[in-house]
Amino acid sequence: QSALTQPASVSGSPGQSITISCTGTNSDVGGYNSVSWYQQDPGKAPKLMIYDVSNRPSGVSNRFSGSKSGNTASLTISGLQAEDEADYYCCSYSSTSTYVFGTGTKVSVL
Amino acid sequence: QMQLVESGGGVVQPGRSLRLSCAASGFTFSSYGIHWVRQAPGKGLEWVAAISYDGSDKYYAESVKGRFTISRDNSKNMLYLQMNSLRAEDTAVYYCARRGESGSHKWFDPWGQGTLVTVSS
Repeated sequence: QSALTQPASVSGSPGQSITISCTGTNSDVGGYNSVSWYQQDPGKAPKLMIYDVSNRPSGVSNRFSGSKSGNTASLTISGLQAEDEADYYCCSYSSTSTYVFGTGTKVSVL
Repeated sequence: QMQLVESGGGVVQPGRSLRLSCAASGFTFSSYGIHWVRQAPGKGLEWVAAISYDGSDKYYAESVKGRFTISRDNSKNMLYLQMNSLRAEDTAVYYCARRGESGSHKWFDPWGQGTLVTVSS
């Protein structure tokens, strides 16, 4: 199964908003409201940021939001901060009872 | 607090076997499905396998099907990944992660810190 497609990198200035896209197929992103997003700092384990497309776990800043349209999910970071620099991965449940991750996006704060 | 701690990683020759372990604490282990996710050096995340709360259902990525076996011992709060016929492309940090608490449950939280497996001659 092919990885979901994410841009390799996204950058923005402090205070700006950025959006990371995550494109799959009808068999994964488009077929289920089970898209999640993870933040990963170098050498660290991933951290859950968004689950079930748009739900934010307790403790995650409300600057992070998620959405989905068709086969593409999106993660938006508002009011970008230096601490948001990290790699971000989307993940979707798929029709084969498995999971597929995105290719990953490196977020840089200029 | 909820915690997952992996162990068992190391250097192994191609074609050999290795068993990873994941010790759970801080939650009712026997009530949750658990996953293995790996990350090759400098690469992205790859879902590897999952097991249901009671061990009755198991799921695998095509890349490991027939070579890896996921299992659990709920009496010991332990998860395992038996890896056979290892290949160089199995080199990765292996994470265990609990299935989601609510909603669809099809997400991962928390994660362990990972254990590195290196397949090399």
